[in-house]
Amino acid sequence: GAGVSQSPRYKVAKRGQDVALRCDPISGHVSLFWYQQALGQGPEFLTYFQNEAQLDKSGLPSDRFFAERPEGSVSTLKIQRTQQEDSAVYLCASSLAPTSLAGAGNTQYFGPGTRLTVL
Amino acid sequence: RKEVEQDPGPFNVPEGATVAFNCTYSNSASQSFFWYRQDCRKEPKLLMSVYSSGNEDGRFTAQLNRASQYISLLIRDSKLSDSATYLCVVNTPSGGYNKLIFGAGTRLAVHP
Repeated sequence: GAGVSQSPRYKVAKRGQDVALRCDPISGHVSLFWYQQALGQGPEFLTYFQNEAQLDKSGLPSDRFFAERPEGSVSTLKIQRTQQEDSAVYLCASSLAPTSLAGAGNTQYFGPGTRLTVL
Repeated sequence: RKEVEQDPGPFNVPEGATVAFNCTYSNSASQSFFWYRQDCRKEPKLLMSVYSSGNEDGRFTAQLNRASQYISLLIRDSKLSDSATYLCVVNTPSGGYNKLIFGAGTRLAVHP
């Protein structure tokens, strides 16, 4: 079946430009996560949605970062007034169950990521 | 100090070698543990979960020591296709739900 998809796969932005990154989770998955992965580092948590509710946005680096999932499926991560330090791979992951539950339903499946380069 | 710390690597080993990766975590409330594999310019993929009793999946063996807050991954009979970055991942309670915390990864290069 279809996995998590993300678009665009690559984005080059000029400093100060706004960007929008899209994530299509696996159909029926309740939980959706956004991560930021800098070169040579592991993914760092940005934000978490359970259906349409954004339950945690503590990882968003600044108020220039905004995420939404209005209908509980597709999610968009928006970065306003991009800076060079925003250059990274942005990964989206989804899981079947709410993360408050233990078990295999919590396995997170990652999309291929969007590689953002800010010049 | 990072919540999840791993051997920095890279590990360069010949085919057929046995290699071990270590990982420590700082939050004693962490509930579940995983190893993910990430190929160059690809997304992380779940390799295996880690249980207190230790678990094996073919050539891969994972162990957890809760008292020491230590996780390991052993790869036997390394193959060229094992070359990748291995991410130690800890599932930690945070504000009523569980959050995955990733280590920085250990790079493995298997050569002929």
